[in-house]
Amino acid sequence: GESVGLHLPTLSVQEGDNSIINCAYSNSASDYFIWYKQESGKGPQFIIDIRSNMDKRQGQRVTVLLNKTVKHLSLQIAATQPGDSAVYFCAENYGSGNTGKLIFGQGTTLQVKP
Amino acid sequence: DGGITQSPKYLFRKEGQNVTLSCEQNLNHDAMYWYRQDPGQGLRLIYYSQIVNDFQKGDIAEGYSVSREKKESFPLTVTSAQKNPTAFYLCASIKRSTPNTEAFFGQGTRLTVV
Repeated sequence: GESVGLHLPTLSVQEGDNSIINCAYSNSASDYFIWYKQESGKGPQFIIDIRSNMDKRQGQRVTVLLNKTVKHLSLQIAATQPGDSAVYFCAENYGSGNTGKLIFGQGTTLQVKP
Repeated sequence: DGGITQSPKYLFRKEGQNVTLSCEQNLNHDAMYWYRQDPGQGLRLIYYSQIVNDFQKGDIAEGYSVSREKKESFPLTVTSAQKNPTAFYLCASIKRSTPNTEAFFGQGTRLTVV
């Protein structure tokens, strides 16, 4: 069915460590993926995206890895900071043309310990 | 300043009433989306629109209606047929382009039935 899920509901890391948040998607036709960060009471904030013709993309302190063989997506955050504490969602997009249906997973809560 | 704006931030509805949530963007994005988020849950797709005067049902469209008469606007009406409307509603818009895609959310409308 149509679903995007994450392996762990909560991830706790020490400040300064690297964080890895995982996501499994189910639709092999998905051609575009986005990671969002959501703080309490706010709308999701775009972090980074990746197209299906790529397997890695880097941003500022974040890296997204895409493994289409196993339909797995991960978000790596380097040197995790207290401000990174939030819920992280992955989303997959599939459809025709330049836009389509954007489906979200359940989210992983990242807790950063000082 | 470009962005996506939802209003109101808080909305109270009496049982049996229809209410309309506003979503406006001045980013020139073609695609717009409405999601519902319940406490501790992910985002579920209500409706989406890829182009003016066209929209598609998402996974939980029952009890909701939308219109897309202008590119900038995608209002969501929560009708009396929606039996459990209390939730956090999020609007998003996307423009897919190379190399960078723009994908933003509004700050949300919290709807409460009283």
